Amino acid sequence: GDSVTQMEGPVTLSEEAFLTINCTYTATGYPSLFWYVQYPGEGLQLLLKATKADDKGSNKGFEATYRKETTSFHLEKGSVQVSDSAVYFCALSPGGTSYGKLTFGQGTILTVHP
Amino acid sequence: DAGVTQSPTHLIKTRGQQVTLRCSPKSGHDTVSWYQQALGQGPQFIFQYYEEEERQRGNFPDRFSGHQFPNYSSELNVNALLLGDSALYLCASGPLGYNSPLHFGNGTRLTVT
Repeated sequence: GDSVTQMEGPVTLSEEAFLTINCTYTATGYPSLFWYVQYPGEGLQLLLKATKADDKGSNKGFEATYRKETTSFHLEKGSVQVSDSAVYFCALSPGGTSYGKLTFGQGTILTVHP
Repeated sequence: DAGVTQSPTHLIKTRGQQVTLRCSPKSGHDTVSWYQQALGQGPQFIFQYYEEEERQRGNFPDRFSGHQFPNYSSELNVNALLLGDSALYLCASGPLGYNSPLHFGNGTRLTVT
């Protein structure tokens, strides 16, 4: 079945450092890929998405490129802020009619220090 | 514009009891999905409702059931609660379409003692 694997955390960075969180997936067909962020005590918020190979999703300085050849969707940000501290989840949605069924990775905790 | 709202925010139940969680989707959304998020884990898909019917189901036992009402709101019912059912239960809504992202509520924290 479908699966998503994220780099293990937690990740601790200083403000303005470069961020990479690795994500690889296993899926049949042509899934859509997402990054969601969860702040303490809140639900998940969509950060960015990509729906086909070589698409780049971007939002709030975060970027991720859908790489079908390496089945990856790594999240990057050039300069993190303290406010970026949260849990980040990589997820996929299978193509076709399987709408609403997201498969998530285990999450990566990011802590940014001033 | 209200987003996805869930109630209650917290709930404590005893093993063997039954629980009902509620969800109102974001305005304009007609599908509702439910997820279980254990502590330190990613959310796991329970099921999805559209047009008042269960359309897809994840790997959860029949103790987990749901309902969608004509106004698109939804309920998640869990019978014969186990300690392992303790988790954050997330509701997500969206318009029908596999490229449309889901919008999540803040969840209901269920503790089973």
